[in-house]
Amino acid sequence: DTGVSQDPRHKITKRGQNVTFRCDPISEHNRLYWYRQTLGQGPEFLTYFQNEAQLEKSRLLSDRFSAERPKGSFSTLEIQRTEQGDSAMYLCASSLTVSVVNTEAFFGQGTRLTVV
Amino acid sequence: GENVEQHPSTLSVQEGDSAVIKCTYSDSASNYFPWYKQELGKRPQLIIDIRSNVGEKKDQRIAVTLNKTAKHFSLHITETQPEDSAVYFCAASRGYSTLTFGKGTMLLVSP
Repeated sequence: DTGVSQDPRHKITKRGQNVTFRCDPISEHNRLYWYRQTLGQGPEFLTYFQNEAQLEKSRLLSDRFSAERPKGSFSTLEIQRTEQGDSAMYLCASSLTVSVVNTEAFFGQGTRLTVV
Repeated sequence: GENVEQHPSTLSVQEGDSAVIKCTYSDSASNYFPWYKQELGKRPQLIIDIRSNVGEKKDQRIAVTLNKTAKHFSLHITETQPEDSAVYFCAASRGYSTLTFGKGTMLLVSP
């Protein structure tokens, strides 16, 4: 499968625990995005990387959230001290963006987080 | 920042009818407008997109129109089929910035 892959697909954790998700983008894509989606809503932007540089973070991304993309390849999203409000689908997307033109963002299947 | 409003939230049509979903955006500098389809339990997938230098784009049964002056764009699906049933999201962005999504429209096509 040459698409965007995310791991794990599902994660159930107890409140207060830390969780980490992984995203492997399409190999030649320079941009990688993290979105959060709750039931009945559209994806909400969290953060994105251009190669290894994290260029933008949403106000939704509290200091309990951290994301990395070492070497500009895969990315990890860590949530510390999880809260019930963190329960959501976490979507990763990647795109090949050249100059100032946006192109199609390809989404992964998502990681569904449930905090109990 | 950008704000995208999408209507209606649900849309029920009979097979063979047309369906129209409308979105408005707030940032006049936005220039890229994709539409994504998300089937239950699956990833969002791009079905069509339009850039601000074009007023209309068509791909078989799907078309998108853009009115930059009014800052709205619409998705038109003709001859709907049951497999068109899904949630549809519009989005907007400017330059190479990130996408801002609408809240989605659940389209139900009855046989």
